[in-house]
Amino acid sequence: QKEVEQNSGPLSVPEGAIASLNCTYSDRGSQSFFWYRQYSGKSPELIMSIYSNGDKEDGRFTAQLNKASQYVSLLIRDSQPSDSATYLCAVNRLGQGGKLIFGQGTELSVKP
Amino acid sequence: ETGVTQSPTHLIKTRGQQVTLRCSSQSGHNTVSWYQQALGQGPQFIFQYYREEENGRGNFPPRFSGLQFPNYSSELNVNALELDDSALYLCASSLVPNTEAFFGQGTRLTVV
Repeated sequence: QKEVEQNSGPLSVPEGAIASLNCTYSDRGSQSFFWYRQYSGKSPELIMSIYSNGDKEDGRFTAQLNKASQYVSLLIRDSQPSDSATYLCAVNRLGQGGKLIFGQGTELSVKP
Repeated sequence: ETGVTQSPTHLIKTRGQQVTLRCSSQSGHNTVSWYQQALGQGPQFIFQYYREEENGRGNFPPRFSGLQFPNYSSELNVNALELDDSALYLCASSLVPNTEAFFGQGTRLTVV
C-alpha cells in the first residue's frame, strides 16, 4: 500500500464546474496535510494547508480533512482553464525530520 | 520578500561525474529540504537541514549529501552520477521544520 494515494486522472471538468480531488494516506500519525499545484515543467506551488478535521476555505479552494477515514480532499469551485495542472497531496508527521510524503498527483484538465 | 531560488536551472552531466546544486532559502526561513522528482511522480524526500544540521533523511544512498550554511542557504551534492539520477531536483524552505514548505523553481538534471 502506498503511503499517500491519489487518483492519477486525468480528471476532466468543464469550465465553471466543481473539481474534486481526493487523497488517502496510510499513517494514522500524520498531522499536517498540504495541497500543491504543479504546472507542467514547473515546481510545486502551495495552495492549501490543513491540520484539523473539517473544512478550510480559501477563495475558490476548499480543503477537507477526515482523520478517522484517513482522507483529505481539495474542491475547486468555478474551475477555470488556468486551474489545469497536476495537484499533489502531501502529508507530514512529527518526528520524521520534516519529511513531506507526496502522492503521485492528479492531473486536472478544465475544458473551456 | 525574496522567494526560494535554485541554481542552475538546467544541467547535463556524464555518468560517474559529480554535481552540486544550490538553493537560497526564503527570507526568514531556517529550514531547507531537498526532493527528487522523476517524470510523472510526486517528489521524493532526500533530506532536510535545520540550523545547519541534518534533521532527517529519506531513502537515498550516501552519495547524496548536503550542507547548510550560516545564512541558511544549502547545497545538494551527488557523487558518482547514475542515469537514474536524471530528475527535477527541488529545494523547499520552511520557517521551521514541519511547517508549510515553499519550493524553488527546481534544477533539471540530465545524466547521459
